[in-house]
Amino acid sequence: DGGITQSPKYLFRKEGQNVTLSCEQNLNHDAMYWYRQDPGQGLRLIYYSQIVNDFQKGDIAEGYSVSREKKESFPLTVTSAQKNPTAFYLCASSKNTGGFNQPQHFGDGTRLSIL
Amino acid sequence: DAKTTQPPSMDCAEGRAANLPCNHSTISGNEYVYWYRQIHSQGPQYIIHGLKNNETNEMASLIITEDRKSSTLILPHATLRDTAVYYCIVRGTGGGADGLTFGKGTHLIIQP
Repeated sequence: DGGITQSPKYLFRKEGQNVTLSCEQNLNHDAMYWYRQDPGQGLRLIYYSQIVNDFQKGDIAEGYSVSREKKESFPLTVTSAQKNPTAFYLCASSKNTGGFNQPQHFGDGTRLSIL
Repeated sequence: DAKTTQPPSMDCAEGRAANLPCNHSTISGNEYVYWYRQIHSQGPQYIIHGLKNNETNEMASLIITEDRKSSTLILPHATLRDTAVYYCIVRGTGGGADGLTFGKGTHLIIQP
């Protein structure tokens, strides 16, 4: 079945360590997104990418980095510069038709905790 | 994108229609209304979206008022599995791919 796969489901990070969250989609979508969700809160956009080898900062990009070398993959690295990384991270994708009439579809998330 | 206002929580009896309201009084002419839901510890699930006309799919119906300042999501026969947080989002046109702005949504609890 087509969909978005995020791995791992749970991830633990030591202080000062970088970690990378995986996001893969087989929907042939051009656009991909990373969001962060804190307990009891809505989602906040970290980064997004409309096309391979191009990405844009979202509202809370500081302390994060991304790459988009392949259409189906959009990994997120949480760097040691992110001082409060404990959160639920969600990846999404959508067709990119130049408008806003295409829904974003989400993976099941990665829960990151600090040891 | 325009701001939306939703009640923080609602109850509905199993088997009944669940009607979830959303106010978006500052919506612009080309902005779409999207609905998502999120079950605890899972990613948001897309439900439905619309621009001006009412929409229906296998999950729900979306009723948008004529002035487009409010909308209602209708789950016609609610089941216990419909218990979730429901988000109403207004998303503008203009080209490109940006993010969705999620508020706190409505926590819908289906009672047996």
